[in-house]
Amino acid sequence: LAKTTQPISMDSYEGQEVNITCSHNNIATNDYITWYQQFPSQGPRFIIQGYKTKVTNEVASLFIPADRKSSTLSLPRVSLSDTAVYYCLVGDGDSSYKLIFGSGTRLLVRP
Amino acid sequence: DTAVSQTPKYLVTQMGNDKSIKCEQNLGHDTMYWYKQDSKKFLKIMFSYNNKELIINETVPNRFSPKSPDKAHLNLHINSLELGDSAVYFCASRDGNSPLHFGNGTRLTVT
Repeated sequence: LAKTTQPISMDSYEGQEVNITCSHNNIATNDYITWYQQFPSQGPRFIIQGYKTKVTNEVASLFIPADRKSSTLSLPRVSLSDTAVYYCLVGDGDSSYKLIFGSGTRLLVRP
Repeated sequence: DTAVSQTPKYLVTQMGNDKSIKCEQNLGHDTMYWYKQDSKKFLKIMFSYNNKELIINETVPNRFSPKSPDKAHLNLHINSLELGDSAVYFCASRDGNSPLHFGNGTRLTVT
């Protein structure tokens, strides 16, 4: 069964770059690593996904080393509205249909 | 034009009752999921269906019975509700290795 580990919480200030790392082992070899953002009373919202190396979109970057045993979500220049819980999501190594969430990292952005 | 919709949004009921939560997706996805989010915000996979076939049943008590009448729907029926069933239940769908799309959740409170 895939195991994931994320920091419970992080604090930052507006305008700073925030990096959140998820450690994961026994993940599916044929599936992406995905990150989600969740605000209170809402469903998780897709941020970014990648398979290896680096992926960048308009809101974040994702760094995945060659062994795929971890991934780092990078949020450039965070704002107050980035205060949320961030989850990594991986496919289980035994069944790629089994998508396992990390425990979530609560990010607080201060003015 | 909500992509994944769940009803009801809130459900308050007494122990021992039977209740259902409905989920519909209009994205044409083949795979649908139910996740449970507890008070600590852990998102735990419960079930996964692919083309109406159950493919993941993550040791959920048999009081929980998912039903997929067609690819676009995955309903969750819960018998003999217990206090510990109180949580937020999220439905999600995906196609192949695409990102999961989530509904906004159903907050179930058992008194």
